[in-house]
Amino acid sequence: QVQLVESGGGVVQPGGSLRLSCAASGFTFSSYGMHWVRQAPGKGLEWVAFIRYDGSHEYYADSVKGRFTLSRDNSKNTLSLQMNSLRAEDTAVYYCAKDPTVGATSPDYWGQGNLVTVSS
Amino acid sequence: QSALTQPPSASGSPGQSVTISCTGTSSDVGGYKYVSWYQQHPGKAPKLLIYEVSKRPSGVPDRFSGSKSGNTASLTVSGIQAEDEADYYCSSYAGSNNVVFGGGTKLTVL
Repeated sequence: QVQLVESGGGVVQPGGSLRLSCAASGFTFSSYGMHWVRQAPGKGLEWVAFIRYDGSHEYYADSVKGRFTLSRDNSKNTLSLQMNSLRAEDTAVYYCAKDPTVGATSPDYWGQGNLVTVSS
Repeated sequence: QSALTQPPSASGSPGQSVTISCTGTSSDVGGYKYVSWYQQHPGKAPKLLIYEVSKRPSGVPDRFSGSKSGNTASLTVSGIQAEDEADYYCSSYAGSNNVVFGGGTKLTVL
């Protein structure tokens, strides 16, 4: 079955950097687009970024554009989110999620989430 | 990229039906068939309930149903059960490979 396992979260100071990873299994990773979605404590879901199945294009929410970079390695079934210039408002649980198509529609399967805390 | 509008809360007694709305614009909900609904229990990841407005993934009970009219999508839970108490989120494709979520609705089973 589809499994998405995030790693790399933790505590980082404002202005710092962190890299999240997502290991995918149970499906043909290279055939599907992938999303990151975050949820601040006690808040709703916020779409963060999307990458096409072949890594040819990435798309970002305005709130993270220019600070976050999404990439994928289809040979290793791995998705990565490089987060720079982190702010307190980036504190959230970050979910890796699969799209049911090569492009973006809405996620179908989700990982368990990984907490990122930006605090001094 | 404005969030879709959902009521903050909804409630019903066991066995009743509850409908949760999700209002967007012609640039998201009204413009595409890619509207999804998710259920999230506390401390858990979201679970897909409905995709493409009204389709149910395998394993989702048929008491969950979805529909859309214009810029508003709806999720109906028929014959609600205690385990349906959770947060519910809608999402929609918003063009240019962007996705937008609703603010979430907390469903309370009385």
